Amino acid sequence: AQSVTQLGSHVSVSEGALVLLRCNYSSSVPPYLFWYVQYPNQGLQLLLKYTTGATLVKGINGFEAEFKKSETSFHLTKPSAHMSDAAEYFCAVSRNTGNQFYFGTGTSLTVIP
Amino acid sequence: DTAVSQTPKYLVTQMGNDKSIKCEQNLGHDTMYWYKQDSKKFLKIMFSYNNKELIINETVPNRFSPKSPDKAHLNLHINSLELGDSAVYFCASVRGHSGANVLTFGAGSRLTVL
Repeated sequence: AQSVTQLGSHVSVSEGALVLLRCNYSSSVPPYLFWYVQYPNQGLQLLLKYTTGATLVKGINGFEAEFKKSETSFHLTKPSAHMSDAAEYFCAVSRNTGNQFYFGTGTSLTVIP
Repeated sequence: DTAVSQTPKYLVTQMGNDKSIKCEQNLGHDTMYWYKQDSKKFLKIMFSYNNKELIINETVPNRFSPKSPDKAHLNLHINSLELGDSAVYFCASVRGHSGANVLTFGAGSRLTVL
């Protein structure tokens, strides 16, 4: 069985500060890993994903995430928060086949001016 | 041109009524989903169809019935609406069968049951 844990349902950072959103997964085999972002009153959209290869993945809007197999983690970071980053962030995992995606419970990011 | 479109965007109705939400994707994707997002933003999968065939049917009350007339459409019908059905319902789709593929979500349909 696969599951995703996002530590911290709410994270607040000052504008310009580092953003760190945590995601840990449990999986019997190396999974595919995703971060999605949901802006207010919108659907989810992809920020970045890890499938194979380089473990540091860069996404849109300056976000990146690093796949650490030994820690079963896929934390999302951004060096400098912008007001427009305020949104809900979801970590997700899937297996290599079957089209089953498992989402974490989400982390709400607030950016303080 | 919207990739995954849902209608209606907002739906307000009384308890006990029956309502439907429609979803269409123009991406040529093979698999479509319904997700329910509650007031705490938890995202729960409800159903998944692959080329009109039901492949995921999570623990959802029988009052919820999906219908996929073709692989580009997945509708959700809800009978005898209850207060707890109030949520945002998202339709999503994905190409192929690889777990590496990316879900494309609709903008959501906010259902309020009074």
